[in-house]
Amino acid sequence: EDQVTQSPEALRLQEGESSSLNCSYTVSGLRGLFWYRQDPGKGPEFLFTLYSAGEEKEKERLKATLTKKESFLHITAPKPEDSATYLCAVGRTGRRALTFGSGTRLQVQP
Amino acid sequence: NAGVTQTPKFRILKIGQSMTLQCTQDMNHNYMYWYRQDPGMGLKLIYYSVGAGITDKGEVPNGYNVSRSTTEDFPLRLELAAPSQTSVYFCASSYGGQGLDEQFFGPGTRLTVL
Repeated sequence: EDQVTQSPEALRLQEGESSSLNCSYTVSGLRGLFWYRQDPGKGPEFLFTLYSAGEEKEKERLKATLTKKESFLHITAPKPEDSATYLCAVGRTGRRALTFGSGTRLQVQP
Repeated sequence: NAGVTQTPKFRILKIGQSMTLQCTQDMNHNYMYWYRQDPGMGLKLIYYSVGAGITDKGEVPNGYNVSRSTTEDFPLRLELAAPSQTSVYFCASSYGGQGLDEQFFGPGTRLTVL
């Protein structure tokens, strides 16, 4: 059975304090690993897709990396507007839908 | 493009009542999905569809039904609502499946069953 575990559950940072969120996964035949951002009361918003170990993608203050067992979402010099829940999901061969982790709630204080 | 739209935004049901959650996408996507999200939990797949006329069960289908008569619409039907169905429901769509394509999500429907 596919498993996606995100840590920590919650993270509080000061503005400018860089950190990383972790997504560990167990899946056979990984097709893609997805990162989403979810603001309170809204649907998830797509950030990145990573397809193979060693791949990295960046967007503004966010950088996602992938190994064979986990993915990291690095947040550099975060701002209060980066506060949100970050969700990780995996897709695999033979399964048409994604398996989601429970998310990391990030709060960035000014 | 409006993307994925869902109605209603909020709804309160009594135990045993029925209702339909509406979902429409204007991106001409083949794949559509229904998820539920409980507090502090990840998204659980209820049903999905790979095209008009084709639907299949996800992880938690009991108590729900779906239909897909057009590419754009994918309604979710709750029959005999139960308190365990209190949740936030998200509809999503993607161009392809097989775990390769990003999914676009609607704003959600917050349902309370009392």
